[in-house]
Amino acid sequence: GESVGLHLPTLSVQEGDNSIINCAYSNSASDYFIWYKQESGKGPQFIIDIRSNMDKRQGQRVTVLLNKTVKHLSLQIAATQPGDSAVYFCAERIQGSQGNLIFGKGTKLSVKP
Amino acid sequence: DARVTQTPRDKVTEMGQEVTMRCQPILGHNTVFWYRQTMMQGLELLAYFRNRAPLDDSGMPKDRFSAEMPDATLATLKIQPSEPRDSAVYFCASGSGSTETQYFGPGTRLLVL
Repeated sequence: GESVGLHLPTLSVQEGDNSIINCAYSNSASDYFIWYKQESGKGPQFIIDIRSNMDKRQGQRVTVLLNKTVKHLSLQIAATQPGDSAVYFCAERIQGSQGNLIFGKGTKLSVKP
Repeated sequence: DARVTQTPRDKVTEMGQEVTMRCQPILGHNTVFWYRQTMMQGLELLAYFRNRAPLDDSGMPKDRFSAEMPDATLATLKIQPSEPRDSAVYFCASGSGSTETQYFGPGTRLLVL
């Protein structure tokens, strides 16, 4: 029979546009957050991280925003390129958990040329 | 270019056979994680080690799975006996005690027939 897989949220953007990928995290005691990018057939790749004492952090073409009030994390990608097409995961670390990360289900970003 | 390596990259085996997956963490990293990724469940933490000592293996089926670190440069994940439901991509990740970031290997794609 047909297998039922994980239906990932999908975001489709035009090349050159900005992308915003959202993530709702689960635990108010989480003190560290990471965004990972996973291309087909590869392992997750670190993009950017942020600690809970910050609300914004910028990298090269990427910005992470943290809203602890509503437990929301977002990843903004400026001038999205075809190479940005991948599944993006947010991960949280609960304070005191000895480094154990809890991963979200992921969002698939598709960039149209 | 320091990176986590995993072998084999692909493994096809028959139900009941033993499977051994190997991981070489980034030199100097003292924390090693094993994850399993499937379409149904996403990324699941199986076990992790710090300074070669197991910290948490609660995510791992104890009756058939075992994880070890014979030395600081090698982590192994064994399944005996393997079952079709073990088919997945198994990732190893490593990190250092000074940062929470986990760096992933390319994964071992396991298919149990």
